[in-house]
Amino acid sequence: SQWGEENLQALSIQEGEDVTMNCSYKTYTTVVHWYRQDSGRGPALIILIRSNEREKRSGRLRATLDTSSQSSSLSITAAQCEDTAVYFCAHQSSSFSKLVFGQGTSLSVVP
Amino acid sequence: DPKIIQKPKYLVAVTGSEKILICEQYLGHNAMYWYRQSAKKPLEFMFSYSYQKLMDNQTASSRFQPQSSKKNHLDLQITALKPDDSATYFCASSQKGWGTGQLYFGEGSKLTVL
Repeated sequence: SQWGEENLQALSIQEGEDVTMNCSYKTYTTVVHWYRQDSGRGPALIILIRSNEREKRSGRLRATLDTSSQSSSLSITAAQCEDTAVYFCAHQSSSFSKLVFGQGTSLSVVP
Repeated sequence: DPKIIQKPKYLVAVTGSEKILICEQYLGHNAMYWYRQSAKKPLEFMFSYSYQKLMDNQTASSRFQPQSSKKNHLDLQITALKPDDSATYFCASSQKGWGTGQLYFGEGSKLTVL
């Protein structure tokens, strides 16, 4: 899972499989963002989940947020090759002045 | 059309020199940020500005100086460059500077210090 001192994680799955990436955070947050970064590009938001939402879906993406355990997850259903990217979770800082990003998960979907 | 323009996309510098990274956003946002990405620290926060005022600074070194001449500009001046400064620097913006809204990122400026 992301945050903490873990290095960038790498996952490799086959096309059609489901995958789940996890995040945990230490400071209070009212929102968790999930970003996707394609090679050579800047990160782009794919889903945002607020503390009053336990689950949020967008197409084949599903995000969950558990404020009691301070954790979030991103699931991709029936992954496709074009889902290959690095996925970051991010939460607001306690000062509300910035987003703090996790270490990221490098997902590779192979045919 | 890209809404956040970063220049240059690639740059090479020698140790001890100075460079300025340019960022302009055309989203009408009120907050702008700089993040640094390297193999060691993916997406490390550096600075945040809201309405042209510094909100947060997580860069220990004074060699990094943000410059905001206009609301939609946030340049980054880096002096006395070191090889460890080699990274991709991303500029981002958000509608509000409260750390909860979506960040829009530019394509990055990849800096290599020799």
